[in-house]
Amino acid sequence: GQNIDQPTEMTATEGAIVQINCTYQTSGFNGLFWYQQHAGEAPTFLSYNVLDGLEEKGRFSSFLSRSKGYSYLLLKELQMKDSASYLCAVQTGANNLFFGTGTRLTVIP
Amino acid sequence: DSGVTQTPKHLITATGQRVTLRCSPRSGDLSVYWYQQSLDQGLQFLIQYYNGEERAKGNILERFSAQQFPDLHSELNLSSLELGDSALYFCASSVRRDPQGYYGYTFGSGTRLTVV
Repeated sequence: GQNIDQPTEMTATEGAIVQINCTYQTSGFNGLFWYQQHAGEAPTFLSYNVLDGLEEKGRFSSFLSRSKGYSYLLLKELQMKDSASYLCAVQTGANNLFFGTGTRLTVIP
Repeated sequence: DSGVTQTPKHLITATGQRVTLRCSPRSGDLSVYWYQQSLDQGLQFLIQYYNGEERAKGNILERFSAQQFPDLHSELNLSSLELGDSALYFCASSVRRDPQGYYGYTFGSGTRLTVV
């Protein structure tokens, strides 16, 4: 089975940095994805990690440790438009994506 | 526009009824994935098709079925609908991006189903 855990909600201040953690236990691992989803909208791709380490893409970075079954998404210089749900997803050997329940981030002024 | 087209965007129907949701993947994408997202729930994988054949099944109820046609569009059929089936239903398509096997997923805008 698949088990993916992330915090349900987080709040952070505009301009600050926030780290959203994700731990996983899955049968098969082909990579870890982070998606952003605004309420009622489709998830949009943020990042992909398959090897250990940090991937940086502008204000967003994602880290993976396969031995620990752990990833985090780091958002810098938070903006109000970053208020959304952030979904951690693991791609299994069958190339299917299994999602955590998502972390709802609220950015406050 | 992600290139993945889902219709209809909204659907309201009564309990016990049957509905069909439609998805057209991005041009060149052979895989179609269906996901269900209930209120405040994560995305639940339902089923995957690849080039017309069922590839994988997730938590799909027996009342639900799907198929992928020769033109690669897919339909998700939901029957004997219950109030608990009210949810957003997303379709995604994927294509291999790199030699390491990264399959990018692109989601459609979803169909919001309300069962009353």
